[in-house]
Amino acid sequence: QVQLVQSGPEVKRPGAAVKVSCKTSGYSFTKNYIHWVRQAPGQGLEWMGIIHPNGFKTVSAQKFQGRVTMTRDTSTNTVYMELSSLRSDDTAMYFCARRHVYGDFMDYWGQGTLVTVSS
Amino acid sequence: DIVLTQSPATLSLSPGERATLACGASKSVSGTYLAWYQQKPGLAPRLLIYDASTRATGIPDRFSGSGSETDFTLTISSLEPEDFAVYYCQQYGDSPLTFGGGTKVEIK
Repeated sequence: QVQLVQSGPEVKRPGAAVKVSCKTSGYSFTKNYIHWVRQAPGQGLEWMGIIHPNGFKTVSAQKFQGRVTMTRDTSTNTVYMELSSLRSDDTAMYFCARRHVYGDFMDYWGQGTLVTVSS
Repeated sequence: DIVLTQSPATLSLSPGERATLACGASKSVSGTYLAWYQQKPGLAPRLLIYDASTRATGIPDRFSGSGSETDFTLTISSLEPEDFAVYYCQQYGDSPLTFGGGTKVEIK
């Protein structure tokens, strides 16, 4: 069965960077893009960006351009999202989600990684 | 960016009742590229509907979606206890992808 398993919670200081991993299994890694979506406490969902598993194509929301880096490791079927220059309003649950083959919606999701930014 | 506005913010209903959730777009969503998700506390969202009206794999037929251009609707024909949750719409016809603010369906 398709699974996306994310790394554990993180606590970071303002100005630091965080790298979240998303290990996939149960499907052919190279067939599906992976989205990153975040959710601040008690708030709605916010799209951050998308990466093709070949690593050659990434698109990020303008809001995060210059601060977000998405990469992948095909040897472990894992995708990574690094967010730099963290601020307190980056405190959120970060989700990876598989892009459906038919379009830019998300059919399988990771369990989420809570990133807390606090001094 | 396409702004999606969901209404109402909260819907208070009893099990067995019909739920009608609205999602309005600030400009036309090309290709009816709109999806609906359900999210329960502490869990990731779950895909319900894509292309405005196509149920995702394993989704019960009490969930249905309709609409086009700027007005979309998710209908739950008869609420089951497990349907009380927050529902989000998402457009994927234009970049950046955007989500609505959510509708909470709560037990009356």
